[in-house]
Amino acid sequence: DAKTTQPTSMDCAEGRAANLPCNHSTISGNEYVYWYRQIHSQGPQYIIHGLKNNETNEMASLIITEDRKSSTLILPHATLRDTAVYYCIVRVEGGSEKLVFGKGTKLTVNP
Amino acid sequence: DTGVSQDPRHKITKRGQNVTFRCDPISEHNRLYWYRQTLGQGPEFLTYFQNEAQLEKSRLLSDRFSAERPKGSFSTLEIQRTEQGDSAMYLCASSQWTSARGDTQYFGPGTRLTVL
Repeated sequence: DAKTTQPTSMDCAEGRAANLPCNHSTISGNEYVYWYRQIHSQGPQYIIHGLKNNETNEMASLIITEDRKSSTLILPHATLRDTAVYYCIVRVEGGSEKLVFGKGTKLTVNP
Repeated sequence: DTGVSQDPRHKITKRGQNVTFRCDPISEHNRLYWYRQTLGQGPEFLTYFQNEAQLEKSRLLSDRFSAERPKGSFSTLEIQRTEQGDSAMYLCASSQWTSARGDTQYFGPGTRLTVL
């Protein structure tokens, strides 16, 4: 079973920041937080991951709370092409290798 | 990197037929994974290879399913005596541990199977 909880759906206006929350209250000290997204009928796309520090790359920023029980994925300037299902996953790096996906958050970016 | 590729992208078959899918991982990635995704659900893990060794199999992988990675490069997933419940998207992913990315998995576009 997935170890994360995400809202089923969210809406965002084009050009605004999209903030996608994820709860992972049972996360272990050696588990990373990964984010993937899946645009309709395509394979999941890796976005970002982190352990405890905030992370930023060309796609997004990941903010992890100090207690590591929740995190937020931030898309700073959402575009219509960011409409997708976003999955938050916790996983031990180098441990059990599989990714356990929940149902994710369906983000709709509106013009 | 050219990314993970999968072939075919779509497959329609009749119940009872056998089908085989191919996955080509990112060059030099030593880990390869298969997942299955049904409509409205997230992907579910099926099996995992490190080089040519199959190290983990999900209980979802019934005896009608078999996966191979004979030379530690491409992989095949075969489904024998297909059933309508096998209709799904079959996803392949690959990874290679690096200090920068850990062992982040990168996915292919998937093969959509429809069993009539």
